[in-house]
Formats: sequence, C-alpha cells, structure tokens
Amino acid sequence: TQLLEQSPQFLSIQEGENLTVYCNSSSVFSSLQWYRQEPGEGPVLLVTVVTGGEVKKLKRLTFQFGDARKDSSLHITAAQPGDTGLYLCAGAEGAQKLVFGQGTRLTINP
Amino acid sequence: GAVVSQHPSWVICKSGTSVKIECRSLDFQATTMFWYRQFPKQSLMLMATSNEGSKATYEQGVEKDKFLINHASLTLSTLTVTSAHPEDSSFYICSAPGTLGYEQYFGPGTRLTVT
Repeated sequence: TQLLEQSPQFLSIQEGENLTVYCNSSSVFSSLQWYRQEPGEGPVLLVTVVTGGEVKKLKRLTFQFGDARKDSSLHITAAQPGDTGLYLCAGAEGAQKLVFGQGTRLTINP
Repeated sequence: GAVVSQHPSWVICKSGTSVKIECRSLDFQATTMFWYRQFPKQSLMLMATSNEGSKATYEQGVEKDKFLINHASLTLSTLTVTSAHPEDSSFYICSAPGTLGYEQYFGPGTRLTVT
C-alpha cells in the first residue's frame, strides 16, 4: 500500500497570513485529490490534479502536483477564519481506491 | 450532481447488537462504493470496497464477518456492523467515484456509538 505523508498535521495562524500544506510520497499516483472536512461531516472534494506539474487555483487556494506525481501542495493566500477545517490529501491507487494522508488541522484565528 | 447520502447520520446501540448503515448515490449510479472509518482527530481509513453484484473486497485487518457489506443495486450499499462492541464506535463514511473515475464523492458520515 502506498503511503502519503502530510505536513504539518496542525497549523494555527492569524487571519491574513499565507500557508502551505504538503503531501509527499515515495510512490507515483495516477491522480491526487484534496478534500476539506468539517467536524461531523464527510470530506468535500476541493480539487483533483492529474498531470505532473499541474497547477490549479480555486479562489485563494492554489494546488500543485509535483512533476513526478509523487507530491502535492496546497497554498492558501490571505487565510480567513472560514478556511478553518481539516484538509486531507488523497492519492488514487489503482482502480479508484484512495490512500489518505494524515490530514492537516488548520485553525485561522481572527 | 454527484450527491451521496448516508442513513442514519448517527446511531447509538447496545453492545452485542447489530447496526446497518446505508449509503446511496442520489443522482448517479455507482458500481463501486467505498467504506471508511475515522476515529477522532484522525484521517480516514479504508475498510472495504463494495462491488455491485459481487462480494466486497476488504482491506487487511478488517473482519469481513463483522463488517458485512451488501451492494444490492447501482445506487445502494449497506454496511452492517454485527455484534457491535464499544471499540467499534467511530465515524463511518462511504464514498462513490464520480463520472471521471478518479474523484470520489463522500457521504456525510454516520456516527456510531456502542454502549
């Protein structure tokens, strides 16, 4: 089974600051997804990256897939309290099966 | 589109009883669904792959006789926790792949508490 190392696992910053979350593996994934999960709810898909080197933007969120398709990053610009949540990266392993990172619990303080 | 529902959203049961959790794809068909469990402050752990019309595939360490999975139609998979014990208390989440194949859409989860 492939493993995904997500870092940092906890991050608490002030509103307006920038942050980056990393997702690394020694294995190649066919695609990688980023999810956000609120307490007591299921994960919500933010983005899927498929091509090595791909960059996708979702408002203040920028997602990048490494050239070798082994790592990914999520960068948030000018973080807001509404960005608080659990962010999960997940790599596609084989036929649709996902391997999840440990998650990053992000807290944005007003 | 791509909405997945779960029922119930939470359930409390006594030790030794069985609990059934339903996962439905509301606006699309899913020949495959996935079941995860998530402990507090932890990530999701894949338990099994549910296959419509055939047996589920369980991950290593997951007891297939304890966690019974049935995928009777293209829109419904069920997970039955048999002879539940307090250590089975967890957040159970299902997912189904979208039309592109590599993205997953998750249900809202079911909080199981075994007393």
